[in-house]
Amino acid sequence: GQNIDQPTEMTATEGAIVQINCTYQTSGFNGLFWYQQHAGEAPTFLSYNVLDGLEEKGRFSSFLSRSKGYSYLLLKELQMKDSASYLCAVKDSNYQLIWGAGTKLIIKP
Amino acid sequence: GAVVSQHPSWVICKSGTSVKIECRSLDFQATTMFWYRQFPKQSLMLMATSNEGSKATYEQGVEKDKFLINHASLTLSTLTVTSAHPEDSSFYICSAGSTGGSSEQYFGPGTRLTVT
Repeated sequence: GQNIDQPTEMTATEGAIVQINCTYQTSGFNGLFWYQQHAGEAPTFLSYNVLDGLEEKGRFSSFLSRSKGYSYLLLKELQMKDSASYLCAVKDSNYQLIWGAGTKLIIKP
Repeated sequence: GAVVSQHPSWVICKSGTSVKIECRSLDFQATTMFWYRQFPKQSLMLMATSNEGSKATYEQGVEKDKFLINHASLTLSTLTVTSAHPEDSSFYICSAGSTGGSSEQYFGPGTRLTVT
C-alpha cells in the first residue's frame, strides 16, 4: 500500500528553527508537496520538490532524498502565525496526490 | 496564484435534505477539479476527481449516488450531498489543477457542513 508518515504534533519556540520530517512509500514518484493548513481553513501551497536537494523559499526550505523516500520542511525564525498543520503529499505514478495526516506545529512565545 | 472560491462557506441542514456546494475557478480554466473531505484532526481524504464534460471518478468507498458531482464548465464544479445524515458533517474542500508534474493544486476555502 501507499503510505506517508509524519509526526502528529511538534512544539517549538518563537524565533527558533524547526524541522518537520516526512517519509513515504508510494507506487512511483512524481514530486512531493508541502502545504500549510491553519485550523478551519483550506491548505495553502508551500513548496514542491521533484529532484534531490534543498529548495529554499524565504524562511521555509524543503529537502528531498528520493533514494531514502524522505523529505523535511525547515522553518526558520518561527513566528506565532506559523502555528498550523503542515501536510506532506506525494504524487504517485498515476499523478494522484497521496496525503500525509499532517503535523500540527505549536509555537510558544 | 490562481483563485478558487467555494460557496457556501458554511451550511447547516436537517437530516434527509440535500446540500449543494459550488466550487469555482475565478481566473483560470480548470479541466480537473478535486473534492476532498476532512474530519476534525484528520488529513484530507480525496472523494472524487472530476473532469469537465465527463463523469467524475470516485475513490473507493465513496458513494457516487450520495455525493453527486457535476463539472459542467471549465470554471464550475458542484458537489451535492443527497439525503444528508449527521455523519456527513465535515469540512468539504475543492481544489483545481492539472494532474501532471509540478502542478500544484489550488484549494478553495472549504465548506463546513453540519447536519442536524
